[in-house]
Amino acid sequence: SQQGEEDPQALSIQEGENATMNCSYKTSINNLQWYRQNSGRGLVHLILIRSNEREKHSGRLRVTLDTSKKSSSLLITASRAADTASYFCATEIQGAQKLVFGQGTRLTINP
Amino acid sequence: DAGVTQSPTHLIKTRGQQVTLRCSPKSGHDTVSWYQQALGQGPQFIFQYYEEEERQRGNFPDRFSGHQFPNYSSELNVNALLLGDSALYLCASSLGIRDYSNEQFFGPGTRLTVL
Repeated sequence: SQQGEEDPQALSIQEGENATMNCSYKTSINNLQWYRQNSGRGLVHLILIRSNEREKHSGRLRVTLDTSKKSSSLLITASRAADTASYFCATEIQGAQKLVFGQGTRLTINP
Repeated sequence: DAGVTQSPTHLIKTRGQQVTLRCSPKSGHDTVSWYQQALGQGPQFIFQYYEEEERQRGNFPDRFSGHQFPNYSSELNVNALLLGDSALYLCASSLGIRDYSNEQFFGPGTRLTVL
């Protein structure tokens, strides 16, 4: 079963706007990771945030983690057409050496 | 530095047949995980190999089996194929339990179609 749930399932915005995607999970985690996938191809690792971290930045990406609420958010600032893709959160559960993925958010950036 | 590679890229099989998918991990990585991604879904964990042994397994039947070789490359075998096995099969490599962050690097995937 899926541990993570992304919200929204689909998001369509204009180029230049910010995009925010949310992820909720159920059990204690070691870390949470965000991935991007273009048109059913391989997953590209975007950012990893450990359970003892609250916020992390990488270029135009900002990730937050709230372990008390078991939730995370991914913010993409100043979106570009090339950001159009599906975005997945994945949790590494404590005691398990595997990633559990949500069903993803499909992001469309309109020019 | 080559990333994770998978072969073949695409594969078409018929029900009841058997298939073998291959994965070479990123240089320096010793752990390989396999995931199945059905259309429109997130990847589902199949199993993970470390030191040539299966260390973790997801909720997949015994028809799904694997192997890891001394050079850390890996194979995924699926027997008695069903229509529902049609999916993108992703391989990911990592440094395994020695690396706390366990960042996983994914290959481009093998698209399996079962007719």
